[in-house]
Amino acid sequence: SQTIHQWPATLVQPVGSPLSLECTVEGTSNPNLYWYRQAAGRGLQLLFYSVGIGQISSEVPQNLSASRPQDRQFILSSKKLLLSDSGFYLCAWSGVSTDTQYFGPGTRLTVL
Amino acid sequence: KNEVEQSPQNLTAQEGEFITINCSYSVGISALHWLQQHPGGGIVSLFMLSSGKKKHGRLIATINIQEKHSSLHITASHPRDSAVYICAVKGNKLTFGGGTRVLVKP
Repeated sequence: SQTIHQWPATLVQPVGSPLSLECTVEGTSNPNLYWYRQAAGRGLQLLFYSVGIGQISSEVPQNLSASRPQDRQFILSSKKLLLSDSGFYLCAWSGVSTDTQYFGPGTRLTVL
Repeated sequence: KNEVEQSPQNLTAQEGEFITINCSYSVGISALHWLQQHPGGGIVSLFMLSSGKKKHGRLIATINIQEKHSSLHITASHPRDSAVYICAVKGNKLTFGGGTRVLVKP
């Protein structure tokens, strides 16, 4: 069966520090991968999606970036965090031929 | 105006009551999703539908493409149904509603 992992589960970082969040998927090949952010009191916002290794599409311009170094690994990064980067970050995957997305447990990021 | 509007924003029900959550959208879509987000933050996909009606246990989702409207119904609600329910539509991209926070009291 397919599983999706995210780490860390929670993170507290100072403003200006770098960020690296990791997402891995098991039990499937060539998934579509997604990064979402949910700011406090707000809805989900798609940040990045990837249809293959090295292929990243950005939905919202910001100081975040994403990379997909391996088929089932998706990384969200920042060189310098802002206060506004605080939120709940969710990774999700979907199959190539289906729209149903399966979400990871999320990472709660607090930037102080 | 947001592309996806959900109503109500908050809903409190007594255990056993029938609950309806509404989702209206303004763009052309190929599919609509209903998601459930539990207090810890985890999200589960409940339904994906492009026409008609789907049922899973006590949950029923309907969509009217002409009216650009979908409803999620919970029959015989239970405290474990307490969660945020999110509607998302697939057009050029996946766009999310703001969610409906449901609290079911015992």
